[in-house]
Amino acid sequence: GQNIDQPTEMTATEGAIVQINCTYQTSGFNGLFWYQQHAGEAPTFLSYNVLDGLEEKGRFSSFLSRSKGYSYLLLKELQMKDSASYLCAVRDLYNFNKFYFGSGTKLNVKP
Amino acid sequence: DVKVTQSSRYLVKRTGEKVFLECVQDMDHENMFWYRQDPGLGLRLIYFSYDVKMKEKGDIPEGYSVSREKKERFSLILESASTNQTSMYLCASSLPGTTLNQPQHFGDGTRLSIL
Repeated sequence: GQNIDQPTEMTATEGAIVQINCTYQTSGFNGLFWYQQHAGEAPTFLSYNVLDGLEEKGRFSSFLSRSKGYSYLLLKELQMKDSASYLCAVRDLYNFNKFYFGSGTKLNVKP
Repeated sequence: DVKVTQSSRYLVKRTGEKVFLECVQDMDHENMFWYRQDPGLGLRLIYFSYDVKMKEKGDIPEGYSVSREKKERFSLILESASTNQTSMYLCASSLPGTTLNQPQHFGDGTRLSIL
């Protein structure tokens, strides 16, 4: 079966750095996506990793280690508007149209 | 920007009713998806479609069917609604899966309550 694990909830302070982890055990791997979802809104795309290493995009970075089945999303200089859920999704190796989602990490940013 | 529009934000129906959820995308995407989102369970795929009139079952297709008669429109049908189908339903679209780095684009969701 497919298993994607993320912490349920995290709290961090405005201006700080936070790391949201995602571990996966899937029968195949063909890329990992991170999405942000504000309450009551659509998930929106943040980042994509398919090779090992760090991808940086402004205040957000995402890291992948395929050998460890592990990714993290790093948010720097946290702002109140970063309070949201962060979803990790793994693309199936054998069916490129299929994705497996974690249950999401709710991030609370406090002043 | 890709726009995925779901016909209703909130819907209340009764047990046994046939329910239609509609989704339209404006970016000529080949792929369209229906997920349900429940607390602690994440997004679970119900059905997806990779072309007009083509569909594949996802992980939880029981009690649902879909229709894709036009490329831009993907409908989810609850044949006989039951209370365990109360959930948030999300529609998404994307380029074909062979375009590996392209993400899915989601609608705002329909919160469906079955009484």
